[in-house]
Amino acid sequence: DADVTQTPRNRITKTGKRIMLECSQTKGHDRMYWYRQDPGLGLRLIYYSFDVKDINKGEISDGYSVSRQAQAKFSLSLESAIPNQTALYFCATSDPVLDSQSTDTQYFGPGTRLTVL
Amino acid sequence: AQTVTQSQPEMSVQEAETVTLSCTYDTSESDYYLFWYKQPPSRQMILVIRQEAYKQQNATENRFSVNFQKAAKSFSLKISDSQLGDAAMYFCAPHWRDSNYQLIWGAGTKLIIKP
Repeated sequence: DADVTQTPRNRITKTGKRIMLECSQTKGHDRMYWYRQDPGLGLRLIYYSFDVKDINKGEISDGYSVSRQAQAKFSLSLESAIPNQTALYFCATSDPVLDSQSTDTQYFGPGTRLTVL
Repeated sequence: AQTVTQSQPEMSVQEAETVTLSCTYDTSESDYYLFWYKQPPSRQMILVIRQEAYKQQNATENRFSVNFQKAAKSFSLKISDSQLGDAAMYFCAPHWRDSNYQLIWGAGTKLIIKP
C-alpha cells in the first residue's frame, strides 16, 4: 500500500551498530505498529502507538525502542543490533474511526529486510 | 493464552479450481474481528477479507469468501476460480479486546497454484 512507506527497504549492518527504520503514512491514521517476521512464522508485534503521546510494548520489545515523531511518522531503533534481529520488519497503520467497516483494519508498508552480520 | 492455528502449512490447487484454507482460534470473547491477509513473493502484506464476529452473514470479496463458524471458533477462507496470482502465503489474524485489539497471527499457509 503506497500510503504506508518504509525506509530503507533493505539494510545490512554489523553486530553492535545502531540502526533506525522509518515509517511514514499518508492515510491520516492515529494508530501505528511495528512487527517483525521470521521465516516460516506469522508476524510478531514489537511496539504500537495509538496516538502521538501513546507508546506501548508489544510481544517482543526487548532490544528495540520507538519514537512517534508525529501522527504520520513512527520509527523503530535497534540500539545495538545482534544477528538474531535479522528479520523482515513491517510497519502498519489503522484507525477504527476512519475505517469504513469499523474493524480497525491494519494496512501494511512494504517491509524492510534487515540483516545483522 | 489466546492462540491461532493454521493446520495446513502448504496447500496446492489446480488453476480455476476451488481451495479452502483453514483457521481455528481460541478466545473467550464474543465480539471481535477476523482477517485474512496474503503475502505474495513481493513480501507485501495485503488484506484479503475481514469479518465481524457479531455478523452471522459470511463475508465475501469477489472470488474470496469465508466460512465463519463462531461456536466452533473456525474461520476458513475459500478461494474460487483460483488464479496464478493467488499464489502466496495466507495468514489468518483475529483481533480482540483481551489483546488490546492487537492482531494475533497464525503461522500461515503457503498456497501453490498449478497451471
